[in-house]
Amino acid sequence: QVQMSQSGAEVKKPGATVRVSCSASGYTFINNDINWVRQATGQGLEWMGWMNPKSGNTGYAQRFQGRVTMTRDTSIGTAYMELSNLTPDDTGIYYCASGTIGPWGQGTQVTVTS
Amino acid sequence: SVLTQPPSTSGTPGQTVTISCSGGNSNIGTYPVNWYQHVPPAAPKLLIFTDNQRPSGVPDRFSASKSGTSASLAISGLQSDDEADYYCATWDDNLNGDWVFGGGTRLTVL
Repeated sequence: QVQMSQSGAEVKKPGATVRVSCSASGYTFINNDINWVRQATGQGLEWMGWMNPKSGNTGYAQRFQGRVTMTRDTSIGTAYMELSNLTPDDTGIYYCASGTIGPWGQGTQVTVTS
Repeated sequence: SVLTQPPSTSGTPGQTVTISCSGGNSNIGTYPVNWYQHVPPAAPKLLIFTDNQRPSGVPDRFSASKSGTSASLAISGLQSDDEADYYCATWDDNLNGDWVFGGGTRLTVL
């Protein structure tokens, strides 16, 4: 069974960087792109970017360019999303997803507070 | 969002409700549309892919269509556990092929 398992909740101060991990199981990790989507508090779903696990190629939504970095470790089938220079507006739930029709991770709550 | 959905809709058990998603030639007019059901904080669930295809396990009460630059999701035989947020999603050439979501529609079952 294909599953995506994410790291636990994070509490960060403004200006800090958060890293969320997403471990894939039940399929060959490099075969599907990984998308990252977030739901900021009180907002809708927002696509942040994608990564091709085989090549490492990435594409980021314009509003996150310069602040987000997506990487992977193919040896352990895990993708990472780093978001820097956090502000309280970044508080929300962050999800990884396998492609656009594959399963999603359970979500990671990120709280930015001083 | 470049994809416009009504913020909210409602229905009573057994009714049929329809949720619209309006876009343009650079997105819905060119690319397939997916629909997701979301009850935060759980993960969004794929309801429809490629305009009108249901993944296995999704009841046939959920159906979708697309015409030109608009898409719609219909939920028939409304049930209380259909209460959720619903999002359309596709790609957009004007955003370098980025994946985009509609603003979401909150469905309330009265």
